[in-house]
Amino acid sequence: QVQLQESGPGLVKPSQTLSLTCTVSGGSISSGGYYWSWIRQHPGKGLEWIGYIYYSGSTYYNPSLKSRVTISVDTSKNQFSLKLSSVTAADTAVYYCARGPDYFDYWGQGTLVTVSS
Amino acid sequence: EIVMTQSPATLSVSPGERATLSCRASQSVSSNLAWYQQKPGQAPRLLIYGASTRATGIPARFSGSGSGTEFTLTISSLQSEDFAVYYCQQYNNWPRRTFGQGTKVEIK
Repeated sequence: QVQLQESGPGLVKPSQTLSLTCTVSGGSISSGGYYWSWIRQHPGKGLEWIGYIYYSGSTYYNPSLKSRVTISVDTSKNQFSLKLSSVTAADTAVYYCARGPDYFDYWGQGTLVTVSS
Repeated sequence: EIVMTQSPATLSVSPGERATLSCRASQSVSSNLAWYQQKPGQAPRLLIYGASTRATGIPARFSGSGSGTEFTLTISSLQSEDFAVYYCQQYNNWPRRTFGQGTKVEIK
């Protein structure tokens, strides 16, 4: 059973960079066939796909966030990470990592990141 | 961007009754559509993919139908654990994935 777990600071100051890591267990990121994703959900709102990474390092980002997003992978640790730069209050959300690339069959439990000074 | 529109925003249903949720795509997504269930404080759970294929462990009372731009999720007889928010998501447009805004199924 694949499990994903997000980790990282729950509070980030405006203009700084949000950094989260997703640790995958029960399966190897390097086994291929899947894209490892970040998805966010603003409080009380719907879901927004942020981007994907493949184990090879290929990335795809939501055009609306592309200028601020970097997703990276560390296959030795079976982890992938999200960096979102120049954050504002509008980036306050629950951030999920999930397994894709088409539909998302495994999700982390999510982590709330609040942007506030 | 493919916009997904769900209706209604809220559906009030009595336990044991049938619930029918709709999802419309702004352009054809073929059968590349998934449905998720989300309960408060939890991550979304995959229910349906390929518009009509139930994910592993999903009860038979959940069924999906449709293709192109019009899709339906039906819950044949609502159980107490089914009261939640439901989202549709298209995956026809690579790589960008988009979700509907959700339908909340509440107890009548």
